[in-house]
Amino acid sequence: AQSVTQLDSHVSVSEGTPVLLRCNYSSSYSPSLFWYVQHPNKGLQLLLKYTSAATLVKGINGFEAEFKKSETSFHLTKPSAHMSDAAEYFCVVSDPNSGYALNFGKGTSLLVTP
Amino acid sequence: EPEVTQTPSHQVTQMGQEVILRCVPISNHLYFYWYRQILGQKVEFLVSFYNNEISEKSEIFDDQFSVERPDGSNFTLKIRSTKLEDSAMYFCASKNGGGRQETQYFGPGTRLLVL
Repeated sequence: AQSVTQLDSHVSVSEGTPVLLRCNYSSSYSPSLFWYVQHPNKGLQLLLKYTSAATLVKGINGFEAEFKKSETSFHLTKPSAHMSDAAEYFCVVSDPNSGYALNFGKGTSLLVTP
Repeated sequence: EPEVTQTPSHQVTQMGQEVILRCVPISNHLYFYWYRQILGQKVEFLVSFYNNEISEKSEIFDDQFSVERPDGSNFTLKIRSTKLEDSAMYFCASKNGGGRQETQYFGPGTRLLVL
């Protein structure tokens, strides 16, 4: 089965400093990986997705993620955090065994301090 | 920009009552999903729906749950006899194509509280 593990439940950064949210995946073959973000009282919004076209994936709002097969990782980064980045972030894998339903990680809550 | 909508945003019900959660997927999408997130836990897949029938369902989706697309726009999740443990945020999602790389677009969720 396809699964993801988010290594940090909470991350706190200062505004203007880099963001790193860690995600490892488990997959028997090349996975389809996504990062979604959830702001308070909002739906889940796609940040970016890996579809095997390129290992470095750029998303919205300055976020990017790098697919590293050797490390089975798909970490999310941003060079400089903004206050508006404070939200819950989910690493997600598409599971072909369930009609490509999404398997979510437990989420990482990002706090950005002034 | 088209978006998935869900109603109501919040619902409080008594244990044993039936609830219907409503979703309006993006209009040209063909694949529909329900997920739930119990407080403090991860988002879990419930069911997928395509071509007017269930295509996949998880172990959570037992006989108490049903889904329907009653018309060309709505997609509903019914819980026949709610239990305390059904309290959760329920998300609807839709996507256009069937491939693994297709993006699922999510609604804002319905928070269900069963008392």
